[in-house]
Amino acid sequence: DQQVKQNSPSLSVQEGRISILNCDYTNSMFDYFLWYKKYPAEGPTFLISISSIKDKNEDGRFTVFLNKSAKHLSLHIVPSQPGDSAVYFCAASANSWGKLQFGAGTQVVVTP
Amino acid sequence: GAVVSQHPSWVICKSGTSVKIECRSLDFQATTMFWYRQFPKQSLMLMATSNEGSKATYEQGVEKDKFLINHASLTLSTLTVTSAHPEDSSFYICSAMIQGLGEKLFFGSGTQLSVL
Repeated sequence: DQQVKQNSPSLSVQEGRISILNCDYTNSMFDYFLWYKKYPAEGPTFLISISSIKDKNEDGRFTVFLNKSAKHLSLHIVPSQPGDSAVYFCAASANSWGKLQFGAGTQVVVTP
Repeated sequence: GAVVSQHPSWVICKSGTSVKIECRSLDFQATTMFWYRQFPKQSLMLMATSNEGSKATYEQGVEKDKFLINHASLTLSTLTVTSAHPEDSSFYICSAMIQGLGEKLFFGSGTQLSVL
């Protein structure tokens, strides 16, 4: 049973525009959410996180929004750059941040 | 940043043989490491939590006798796929946790296992 879902396997966006990645979860016990970025032949690297006590967290071009009532979070990248082309994973944890449930990932392609 | 080295990056083996995958934390000590598996177009699925000096904790549905985990030192955890079968073909990836660094996990680059 997949508790974290990323329903869009891919996203294509023009350079300079906003990229919006979506993630839904089913487990109401999740209290910490993270986004990871993965390039080919490399492991995922941490990007940004948000605690369930917040509804927004911003770090430079990256902003994560959390809607607990909808069990939905999103990652906004603005402006998008070619180097942002990668697979983005949404992950969630409940009480133990090291033990994560991952989504299937969204492949982002930023075109010139 | 912290580095986790995973080896080998890919391996092809015959059905029935065993394969060992290593996960090393290069510049930090990791009391806890995690092993994941990812099938094509699916999520990274946690297989087990590896704790230094103690037995690994396996997730439901993961056969501990098939996927042997050893975390003998603070910088090395190994996953051995015993008597591998074609259905074990998958992408395996480890991560290591640094105490006191909040939520950040550091991942290896993964191992693509193909069992013929």
